[in-house]
Amino acid sequence: DIQMTQSPASLSASLEEIVTITCQASQDIGNYLSWYQQKPGKSPQLLIHSATSLADGVPSRFSGSRSGTQYSLKINRLQVEDTGIYYCLQHYSAPWTFGGGTKLELK
Amino acid sequence: EVQLVESGGGLVQPGRSLKLSCLASGFTFSNYGMNWIRQAPGKGLEWVASISSSSSYIYYADTVKGRFTISRDNAKNTLYLQMTSLRSEDTALYYCARRGASRWYFDFWGPGTMVTVSS
Repeated sequence: DIQMTQSPASLSASLEEIVTITCQASQDIGNYLSWYQQKPGKSPQLLIHSATSLADGVPSRFSGSRSGTQYSLKINRLQVEDTGIYYCLQHYSAPWTFGGGTKLELK
Repeated sequence: EVQLVESGGGLVQPGRSLKLSCLASGFTFSNYGMNWIRQAPGKGLEWVASISSSSSYIYYADTVKGRFTISRDNAKNTLYLQMTSLRSEDTALYYCARRGASRWYFDFWGPGTMVTVSS
């Protein structure tokens, strides 16, 4: 199975700050990586798929990138509504596997 | 508007069975693969099972293989998860989610239905 190592586990950042969350895949998964945001008491929402493609309706301050088997989610100019838990998911081969999550809070 | 609504959760004793449903609307259900993902209380996301649009391809997590069965009824726009031999570690909020247009990412999620396995 492909392991996804996500870091950091938690993060505290200020409004308007740039935030970066990373996921390291245990093997090559190409661009088959997606990112999700989960707010308290809500179901996850797709932010990015195929490593860099912004999902419909997602603000442009979110972006995804890839360097080899390391994937990053970047949030430009952090907003209050961006707090929550972020997960990566490899959708290259079954079993699809999630990262452990990153809890993002406002400082 | 895409909508997914899960139902069928509840409190069940270890070793017993339960069947979850997910009613889809707002899109052509028969054109999309579907998935079940779960989240234990206070924990992260765990993929459970996936089924292709015509049920030709089915995948399971090792933790549920042989105990859970995913199925769908395209005429009823409904996805199912039959769960047998339930264990305490199956206690979780179960989400259904739609497969993305191009690959097995999850582009829309339902609100979830809670399954609690306890005596």
